[in-house]
Amino acid sequence: ELKVEQNPLFLSMQEGKNYTIYCNYSTTSDRLYWYRQDPGKSLESLFVLLSNGAVKQEGRLMASLDTKARLSTLHITAAVHDLSATYFCAVDVANFGNEKLTFGTGTRLTIIP
Amino acid sequence: DTEVTQTPKHLVMGMTNKKSLKCEQHMGHRAMYWYKQKAKKPPELMFVYSYEKLSINESVPSRFSPECPNSSLLNLHLHALQPEDSALYLCASSLLSLRQPQHFGDGTRLSIL
Repeated sequence: ELKVEQNPLFLSMQEGKNYTIYCNYSTTSDRLYWYRQDPGKSLESLFVLLSNGAVKQEGRLMASLDTKARLSTLHITAAVHDLSATYFCAVDVANFGNEKLTFGTGTRLTIIP
Repeated sequence: DTEVTQTPKHLVMGMTNKKSLKCEQHMGHRAMYWYKQKAKKPPELMFVYSYEKLSINESVPSRFSPECPNSSLLNLHLHALQPEDSALYLCASSLLSLRQPQHFGDGTRLSIL
């Protein structure tokens, strides 16, 4: 059974600081996604990582994928309050051509002014 | 605003009621998904439809009955639900490509009395 674990589960950080969220998964996959979810809201796609060594950046967020280590990171640079949300990684294990996403445990990020 | 529209946004029903959740997308996506999300937990996959055919059922109890009448619509019929079924139900869609993210609707918040 695929397991996807994130750490930390909770992260409280000050504005302007840098931090990294880690996503470990237990089976071979070269497709990993990062999503953001605001309280009571839907999931917003942030990044799609499709190969070993993939790095994507958008604003203050940067995601990377190491398929050999089965590890993805989401790095936050100079955090601002608007980044407060829950962040999920999700691993895709294709099942006869169908996407089957398994989500990580989630990291609840709170940015303190 | 999301491109996947779910109705209703909120639903309160008794354990003997029958109700349906509706999901609609007009992005030409040929894969559609139902997820269940409990508070402070990651989404859990329930069903996957591919080209209007059910391709994945994650051992969901029969009191949940999915239906895909056409490529733009996905329904989830509910009957004789239990209090533990109270959750946020998310619909998602994607191109049938393993390189594209799933797009999520805003969800239906379901409460079972």
